[in-house]
Amino acid sequence: DQQVKQNSPSLSVQEGRISILNCDYTNSMFDYFLWYKKYPAEGPTFLISISSIKDKNEDGRFTVFLNKSAKHLSLHIVPSQPGDSAVYFCAASLNQAGTALIFGKGTTLSVSS
Amino acid sequence: KAGVTQTPRYLIKTRGQQVTLSCSPISGHRSVSWYQQTPGQGLQFLFEYFSETQRNKGNFPGRFSGRQFSNSRSEMNVSTLELGDSALYLCASSSDGRRKETQYFGPGTRLLVL
Repeated sequence: DQQVKQNSPSLSVQEGRISILNCDYTNSMFDYFLWYKKYPAEGPTFLISISSIKDKNEDGRFTVFLNKSAKHLSLHIVPSQPGDSAVYFCAASLNQAGTALIFGKGTTLSVSS
Repeated sequence: KAGVTQTPRYLIKTRGQQVTLSCSPISGHRSVSWYQQTPGQGLQFLFEYFSETQRNKGNFPGRFSGRQFSNSRSEMNVSTLELGDSALYLCASSSDGRRKETQYFGPGTRLLVL
């Protein structure tokens, strides 16, 4: 049973537009959420995180929104750039240290110029 | 600061053999976690070590084991390899493990079991 779900395997966006990647979770005990980006042949790279006590966190072009009642989070990338093309993973953690991450299966973002 | 390093980067083994993978965390980091990535299951948590002790464990069989040394370097061992163990094995480190912190990933070891 998947506790973290990314229901869209892929997303295509034009350069300069907004990319919105979605993630749903089932375990209400998750209290820390992260987004990672992954290029082929590389390990995941941390993008942004959010604690369950917040509903929004912003870092440059990246904003993560958390809706706890809906058990839903989303990553907004504005404006999208061709270099953003990669696989994006949503992850959640139960433990105090924020380790032992439970990952979604990823969404492949393609940004065309 | 150097990032997380993993060795070897690529490995080919046959069924029934065992394999040991190595991970050196970022200097000063004491927590090391291991993950398996496969096309079908995605990224799955194997286990985490902190100060030489296994602190968390995922849902993998006992053939998967690990350890951590006093310098925080970690090894992961898989015994009696099966074809389904073919995967990218990723190691991630974070610093003191007392609060919510970012995990930084290495490039992974690609294991192929024939």
